[in-house]
Amino acid sequence: DIQLTQSPSFLSASVGDRVTITCRASQGISSSVAWYQQKPGTAPKLLIHDASTLQTGVPSRFSGSGVGTEFTLTISSLQPEDFATYYCQQLSVYQTFGQGTKVDIK
Amino acid sequence: QVQLRQWGAGLLKPSETLSLSCAVSGGSLSGYYWSWIRQPPGKGLEWIGEINHTGSTNYIPSLKSRVTISVATSKKQFSLKLTSVTAADTAVYYCARKTSTRPMDVWGQGTTVTVSS
Repeated sequence: DIQLTQSPSFLSASVGDRVTITCRASQGISSSVAWYQQKPGTAPKLLIHDASTLQTGVPSRFSGSGVGTEFTLTISSLQPEDFATYYCQQLSVYQTFGQGTKVDIK
Repeated sequence: QVQLRQWGAGLLKPSETLSLSCAVSGGSLSGYYWSWIRQPPGKGLEWIGEINHTGSTNYIPSLKSRVTISVATSKKQFSLKLTSVTAADTAVYYCARKTSTRPMDVWGQGTTVTVSS
């Protein structure tokens, strides 16, 4: 099984901050990584696929990068609606998710 | 746009069979994989498995012996069955759409399933 480890698991930030979340894979997975945002009581929302491609309709303050085993999701200027939990997902061998990163208001 | 509507029993006893269905509206079944994902209370996401319109399936190895995903193309529906449930299967279950190479871009509303004696 391919394991995904996200860091940090929790972070406090303020509106306007630049936020970076890291996702590390237990083995190389090329660019087969997606990022999702989930708010309480709702289904996850796809933000980025293929490691760096922004899903249609997602604001440009979200960006993704990485290849192989290390990937990052960056929010360039945190907005009030961005406080949520973020998950990475690998689609290289079956599909697995990271444990999540909760972004909270400082 | 494509929407997924899901339904099924929300309260089960240990050893019973979980049964959920998901209806697709506004789009075709062809060209996509139709997935089930679950999320235990307060925890992360776990992919369960997927099926395409021809009935080809993939399952997570840890659940493969208990899971069946099926498709009813004429009804534009797909379904999940999970046998011999225990408290560890308590979760919100989601259906979702993905392509062969792209991740889940459309999700159902989620169904809470509780397993308790």
